[in-house]
Amino acid sequence: DAMVIQNPRYQVTQFGKPVTLSCSQTLNHNVMYWYQQKSSQAPKLLFHYYDKDFNNEADTPDNFQSRRPNTSFCFLDIRSPGLGDAAMYLCATSRWTRGRPYNEQFFGPGTRLTVL
Amino acid sequence: AQSVTQPDIHITVSEGASLELRCNYSYGATPYLFWYVQSPGQGLQLLLKYFSGDTLVQGIKGFEAEFKRSQSSFNLRKPSVHWSDAAEYFCAVGLNSGGYQKVTFGTGTKLQVIP
Repeated sequence: DAMVIQNPRYQVTQFGKPVTLSCSQTLNHNVMYWYQQKSSQAPKLLFHYYDKDFNNEADTPDNFQSRRPNTSFCFLDIRSPGLGDAAMYLCATSRWTRGRPYNEQFFGPGTRLTVL
Repeated sequence: AQSVTQPDIHITVSEGASLELRCNYSYGATPYLFWYVQSPGQGLQLLLKYFSGDTLVQGIKGFEAEFKRSQSSFNLRKPSVHWSDAAEYFCAVGLNSGGYQKVTFGTGTKLQVIP
């Protein structure tokens, strides 16, 4: 089945120690998104890639970076995690097609990040 | 800017009872509307979506939602709740934004199902 995969499902890191979360997709979608979801809150968009074009949300901290080496993979790098960065990180994909009004996003299972 | 309001933070229903989760949105144009479900520790699963056409939308797991433009609402319903429906439900509105879809989520409604 075509899907969005996130690894690892659970990640523990230390305060200030860089961490990378991984997302891969077999849907061949051209847009990939990263969301942060803190406990009992709605998902919050951090950034997205449209093909190779990176687009940062205005309020995403500089501590968060992303890489998309190819269509299938996208990484979320947290350079110096703080206690406030503990959250579920969700990857999503969609296909944007000119002339088609909308295509929904498909979500991966998420990576729960713990910062000690 | 679009926004989504889910007025009920937490709802408890008995198994077998009917369910309605409320959602109101604010958006100037025709909205693209979604309901997602999230089980504890899991990602988001799309239950149903409304883009256009018939205002009563059928989804997976026996859920349906009705788009009411006059009330700016997109309430989710299920006639008979099962214990496995206990989860958090997010209403969302989407906007096409030049190469991607910007989705705004509501704050979610946690559903508890009691025997």
